[in-house]
Amino acid sequence: QVQLVQSGAEVKKPGASVKVSCKASGYTFTSYDINWVRQATGQGLEWMGWMNPNSGNTGYAQKFQGRVTMTRNTSISTAYMELSSLRSEDTAVYYCARESGWYSYWGQGTLVTVSS
Amino acid sequence: EIVMTQSPATLSVSPGERATLSCRASQSVSSNLAWYQQKPGQAPRLLIYGASTRATGIPARFSGSGSGTEFTLTISSLQSEDFAVYYCQQYNNWPRRTFGQGTKVEIK
Repeated sequence: QVQLVQSGAEVKKPGASVKVSCKASGYTFTSYDINWVRQATGQGLEWMGWMNPNSGNTGYAQKFQGRVTMTRNTSISTAYMELSSLRSEDTAVYYCARESGWYSYWGQGTLVTVSS
Repeated sequence: EIVMTQSPATLSVSPGERATLSCRASQSVSSNLAWYQQKPGQAPRLLIYGASTRATGIPARFSGSGSGTEFTLTISSLQSEDFAVYYCQQYNNWPRRTFGQGTKVEIK
């Protein structure tokens, strides 16, 4: 069965960076784009960007341009999302999702807390 | 950017009653619209894609309709497990996906 398993919760100080992983199984990793979506506590879903695991091509929401980097390691079917220059407003649950236009499969989420 | 607007923000419904949720796009998204259900502490779950196609394993009491800019999610007879937050999402504008702000369905 298709699974996306994310890395564990992180606590970071303002100005630091965080890198969240998303390990895919149950399908061919390079056949579907991976998107990243975040959700602040009590808030809605916010699209951050996409990555094609086959080509490595990426695209980011304008809000995160210059601060986010999405990469992958195809040998271990893992996608990564790195967010830099963290601020308190980046405290949120970060999800990876497999895209077919819509998102049929989601990771379990990774809580990133930014606090001094 | 395509803006998705959901209404109402909160819907109070009694178990067994019908719930109707709305989603409006700021420009046409054709039928490239999905609906998700999210419960506290869980990832969203896909309910509907293509505006009206139920995802695998989704009960028939969930139905979607609409095209262009106006969409509706209907839950025909609310069960206790259906009380949750529901989001719409457009995927017409590749690759920039956008979500509505959500509708919370609560017990009346």
